[in-house]
Amino acid sequence: EAQVTQNPRYLITVTGKKLTVTCSQNMNHEYMSWYRQDPGLGLRQIYYSMNVEVTDKGDVPEGYKVSRKEKRNFPLILESPSPNQTSLYFCASSPYRVGEQFFGPGTRLTVL
Amino acid sequence: DQQVKQNSPSLSVQEGRISILNCDYTNSMFDYFLWYKKYPAEGPTFLISISSIKDKNEDGRFTVFLNKSAKHLSLHIVPSQPGDSAVYFCAASGQMKTSYDKVIFGPGTSLSVIP
Repeated sequence: EAQVTQNPRYLITVTGKKLTVTCSQNMNHEYMSWYRQDPGLGLRQIYYSMNVEVTDKGDVPEGYKVSRKEKRNFPLILESPSPNQTSLYFCASSPYRVGEQFFGPGTRLTVL
Repeated sequence: DQQVKQNSPSLSVQEGRISILNCDYTNSMFDYFLWYKKYPAEGPTFLISISSIKDKNEDGRFTVFLNKSAKHLSLHIVPSQPGDSAVYFCAASGQMKTSYDKVIFGPGTSLSVIP
């Protein structure tokens, strides 16, 4: 089944404790992105990747890091999480530069 | 300042009637528009899209209309069904950078279809 998977689905952590949210897609897509969804703000892009080892900042990159060492994986790293990073996070992939993206099921992160 | 606006946070419609969801954008560089549907505890799923060279695109019960001069698009669902109850996100993309088309999402409209 073609899909984007994210882990964990739910995470409660404390300020400053480094964490990684994994994202993997099995569709051989070139493009991958991370978004956060906050009430009233929709989905805002954090980082995106156009291919292996090629990443760039989205609209809200502060406090986040990403890597793309393999085509299928695009982990999101929070090196020192803060409460303002409490949010719902989505990973997405796409075969096209423009067009439909396939989203993962989301990761609900709470930073205390 | 939001570049993609969905001014109705919520909408209620009777089953069988038409649902009209609206979206406005500010940046004339946007040239491709998409609608996504999101159920609770799931990721958004693509619904329909339209290129700026067209003013209408239809897929079954879903039609998207684009008015470039007004920088406005709308999604029509006819007839509405209870399973259409979800949050709908409008998204706009355009060649802001040389190698990637930036995608901006609106805040979403929560549609409730009442049986």
